[in-house]
Amino acid sequence: NAGVTQTPKFQVLKTGQSMTLQCAQDMNHNSMYWYRQDPGMGLRLIYYSASEGTTDKGEVPNGYNVSRLNKREFSLRLESAAPSQTSVYFCASSEVGRVNSNQPQHFGDGTRLSIL
Amino acid sequence: RKEVEQDPGPFNVPEGATVAFNCTYSNSASQSFFWYRQDCRKEPKLLMSVYSSGNEDGRFTAQLNRASQYISLLIRDSKLSDSATYLCVVRNFGNEKLTFGTGTRLTIIP
Repeated sequence: NAGVTQTPKFQVLKTGQSMTLQCAQDMNHNSMYWYRQDPGMGLRLIYYSASEGTTDKGEVPNGYNVSRLNKREFSLRLESAAPSQTSVYFCASSEVGRVNSNQPQHFGDGTRLSIL
Repeated sequence: RKEVEQDPGPFNVPEGATVAFNCTYSNSASQSFFWYRQDCRKEPKLLMSVYSSGNEDGRFTAQLNRASQYISLLIRDSKLSDSATYLCVVRNFGNEKLTFGTGTRLTIIP
């Protein structure tokens, strides 16, 4: 039972390069999220998808794009990487709706991304 | 003012002691509350949800005070394995998103 799977686990990029972080969940959750975590800043939401076919900006969306490919998969793309995007990226999923608002989020084990 | 605030610590506590953390939230519309733990270089994992009447899970007790807008986590008989960063998390009513505190770092000393 994999839960939330992220690839790759580590990546080093040069400024200006592009890449896509992949995330897949096998829990049949409707909602998926991308966060970044920086020292002293806590987890900050980049984008989220409340259901297949929908995406919304979070707190720090600039420089990123997302695709909710299907119910299982939610990818995060850096079109032109910048050193300020050096961070640890976490994907999460949740079965949440207004009725079940106490549902928690389940996290992948993260992608450590360095931009030189 | 941050929406969710925690004392960053670090808290260095001897094994077997009791330790408590508080977390304050600014949005009175906050409806759901959680404590997550995060080990060094690992992903956050749900420790426990926090219910209005307070709840207990083994050595862990969570309390919610809506009037003062804070939640607390009490750890009794602390173990070395409790060393981690504890994240306070809230969700506002009708909102898909969670808001995370920056975490309180706990180290249990042998």
